[in-house]
Amino acid sequence: EVQLLESGGGLVQPGGSLRVSCAASGFIFSNYAMSWVRQAPGKGLEWVSAISGNGGKTYYADSVKGRFTISRDNSKNSLYLQMNSLRAEDTAIYYCAKEEMGATTPMVDYWGQGTLVTVSS
Amino acid sequence: QSVLTQPPSLSGAPGQRVAISCTGSSSNIGSRYDVHWYQQLPGTAPKLLIYDNTNRPSGVPDRFSGSKSGTSASLAIAGLQAEDEADYYCQSYDSSLKTWLFGGGTELTVL
Repeated sequence: EVQLLESGGGLVQPGGSLRVSCAASGFIFSNYAMSWVRQAPGKGLEWVSAISGNGGKTYYADSVKGRFTISRDNSKNSLYLQMNSLRAEDTAIYYCAKEEMGATTPMVDYWGQGTLVTVSS
Repeated sequence: QSVLTQPPSLSGAPGQRVAISCTGSSSNIGSRYDVHWYQQLPGTAPKLLIYDNTNRPSGVPDRFSGSKSGTSASLAIAGLQAEDEADYYCQSYDSSLKTWLFGGGTELTVL
């Protein structure tokens, strides 16, 4: 059974940093690209970042480019998101997401339960 | 303002059929990119509902169906049930923006 368990969320001041983590199990972690998707309170889903299975390729939404860094440790079946220069608008639930490639378009076939990041003074 | 446009809300009575639209453009849905749909029940993480426009993952009832035509896609729910009350999101990819896209979401209320 695929399981994705996020941790590391919390309250951080504007301009601060935070690292959220995701522990994966139930599948061959290194075989799959992974993403982070966030959801601000009462709002819709927003794709944040993605990383290839071997970690060699990373992708970012314009809203976080230059501030967030995605990484993975395949020996630990873990995914990370380092968030720097945090802003109030980064307040959201951050979901760890396992990617699956469709016929033409990637999708999320499994989601974690999410970890809440709150940016406030 | 999402690049993929969904109606913010819809409602239907039990047993009815509803359809949720997702409108994009020539650089995403209207191009070669497929559409996926997710269901988010209150207080839970999203769940994959339809992939590659029309396909249902194992365990998803056949009351849920999807379609795509031109620059739009649609999710239909037949025989509406109380447990279908949720938020629904479409998702695709945009070749100009080079990014995943989610629709703004549709809140479905079962009357």
